[in-house]
Amino acid sequence: EAQVTQNPRYLITVTGKKLTVTCSQNMNHEYMSWYRQDPGLGLRQIYYSMNVEVTDKGDVPEGYKVSRKEKRNFPLILESPSPNQTSLYFCASSLGGFPYEQYFGPGTRLTVT
Amino acid sequence: AQKITQTQPGMFVQEKEAVTLDCTYDTSDPSYGLFWYKQPSSGEMIFLIYQGSYDQQNATEGRYSLNFQKARKSANLVISASQLGDSAMYFCAMREGGDAGGTSYGKLTFGQGTILTVHP
Repeated sequence: EAQVTQNPRYLITVTGKKLTVTCSQNMNHEYMSWYRQDPGLGLRQIYYSMNVEVTDKGDVPEGYKVSRKEKRNFPLILESPSPNQTSLYFCASSLGGFPYEQYFGPGTRLTVT
Repeated sequence: AQKITQTQPGMFVQEKEAVTLDCTYDTSDPSYGLFWYKQPSSGEMIFLIYQGSYDQQNATEGRYSLNFQKARKSANLVISASQLGDSAMYFCAMREGGDAGGTSYGKLTFGQGTILTVHP
């Protein structure tokens, strides 16, 4: 089954404790992206990757890191999480940029206390 | 400037009736795509329908249709014969063509969303 998977689905952590949210897709997609969803703001792009070893910042990259060492994986790293990073995070992938549809993972609900 | 605007924070509809969810957009790129996603209370993002800027006809997918008015820069979602399972948050989003490698490359820009409630 074609899908984007994310782990963990739910995470409660404390300020400053490094964490990684994994994202994997099995569709051989070149383009992958991370979004965060906050009430009243819709989804905003954090980082994206056009292919292996090619990543760039989205609209809200502060406090996040990413890497793309393999085509299928695109982990999101929070080196020192803060409470303002409490959010719902989505990983998405697509064959390329416009006009391709993005397929979304199930989401990761992160709470930083 | 807001690129995608959804002016209806919440909408109510009676079961089996049609409902229109509004979306206006702003872009100077002649190539773009407009997407609608559904987010039920379980949280996942479900793709519903797509309209390309060069498409001559309005997109349709089952009970979903997109009322695309290019000159007005609007891309309203019409759901016919509403069902209880249609109760969810709905997002309009846009992907611009742009130049590969630019900061906007591939980004989906989302509106704030509209919560639809279907009453029995």
